[in-house]
Amino acid sequence: DAGVIQSPRHEVTEMGQEVTLRCKPISGHNSLFWYRQTMMRGLELLIYFNNNVPIDDSGMPEDRFSAKMPNASFSTLKIQPSEPRDSAVYFCASTMWGTTNEKLFFGSGTQLSVL
Amino acid sequence: GEDVEQSLFLSVREGDSSVINCTYTDSSSTYLYWYKQEPGAGLQLLTYIFSNMDMKQDQRLTVLLNKKDKHLSLRIADTQTGDSAIYFCAESFSGNTGKLIFGQGTTLQVKP
Repeated sequence: DAGVIQSPRHEVTEMGQEVTLRCKPISGHNSLFWYRQTMMRGLELLIYFNNNVPIDDSGMPEDRFSAKMPNASFSTLKIQPSEPRDSAVYFCASTMWGTTNEKLFFGSGTQLSVL
Repeated sequence: GEDVEQSLFLSVREGDSSVINCTYTDSSSTYLYWYKQEPGAGLQLLTYIFSNMDMKQDQRLTVLLNKKDKHLSLRIADTQTGDSAIYFCAESFSGNTGKLIFGQGTTLQVKP
């Protein structure tokens, strides 16, 4: 298995632009998580899905952030409009929820820089 | 609410043992995890322990769990320069939703 695949690997954009981050979870996994990592705040859970349904989006910072999971093999995290304080590494992770041990598998992350 | 605390930094010499500590709050967590993050990479699962166990050993790694004190530790024997990374402790959220609560990470620096 190729693991969790995220794209792009790096994204540099200007304030006010729309940014879309993409994630392909591990085949067969039914839970998907979006995390954000910064030096100041560490690893923050933004939103997670079970069976393509958003379960908890309480970590999404503002209405500028939205996430979708149209099918079991694809998810997007969109920021519109982007701001410099959104600069961070965004990780996607997946797992098989409902098993005895939900081990999370992470992608390599998207390094986002908003100028 | 749920919270996981770790010290931020640990420096050891190559060949020494490293001990990274973690405290957590959710006593109903079924599993506790240690993840490793190397520079520029995502988090990688290192090891985990079931909540009814006191200890788990996996080659150079030893995990100790004190459930009464809600204290978890990771011991790395014969620490190598390749062990330099950030180590995250995580607990499973109540209800087995698949959601993990992560600590802020401990940066391990291994000096030659």
